[in-house]
Amino acid sequence: DTEVTQTPKHLVMGMTNKKSLKCEQHMGHRAMYWYKQKAKKPPELMFVYSYEKLSINESVPSRFSPECPNSSLLNLHLHALQPEDSALYLCASAHKTRPDNSPLHFGNGTRLTVT
Amino acid sequence: QKEVEQDPGPLSVPEGAIVSLNCTYSNSAFQYFMWYRQYSRKGPELLMYTYSSGNKEDGRFTAQVDKSSKYISLFIRDSQPSDSATYLCAMSPYNFNKFYFGSGTKLNVKP
Repeated sequence: DTEVTQTPKHLVMGMTNKKSLKCEQHMGHRAMYWYKQKAKKPPELMFVYSYEKLSINESVPSRFSPECPNSSLLNLHLHALQPEDSALYLCASAHKTRPDNSPLHFGNGTRLTVT
Repeated sequence: QKEVEQDPGPLSVPEGAIVSLNCTYSNSAFQYFMWYRQYSRKGPELLMYTYSSGNKEDGRFTAQVDKSSKYISLFIRDSQPSDSATYLCAMSPYNFNKFYFGSGTKLNVKP
């Protein structure tokens, strides 16, 4: 089991649905990330939150909307998705204490299927 | 040219073999180097994390970094069928939010 918890594990949604992915960590990490991973590909960065503020948006379509309500929680709101958005969505966190860096710790992901 | 290059494999070895996995990179600003193991339908699991050039050992795993050659390696001794997974290298510059991943090498350890 990982220390980054993601729910739900699986999600099937239609193109007109609105759903949310949730991520929680209690390691005191202050950087949290959303990645998208397609089959047989490496994780692809979507968003980074640093100290609860959005610091990186990798030109992600607006149908994906991130939210960081507090230092332990990260949400990804989904609306009007396309079938090509089907993928494994991974949440990760890192300690992010200046001046040091720290490695990413991943959750097990939400496997999303858009029909 | 990609910032991180990794042979996708698949790499197939017999149980007990020594496995060598490698990545090369082009950005001399990379300071932190990680290896992740990913089983099918799971998230990547951190195996090794190194900062400086040299070797770091943890059980059956040894991570090696050669910054002068921009080359990192992961060695697995006495490989087991349970080591069968995809191995991802990742790296990041100093004090920066972004992590750059290799494409992953699929390893199969045959009993």
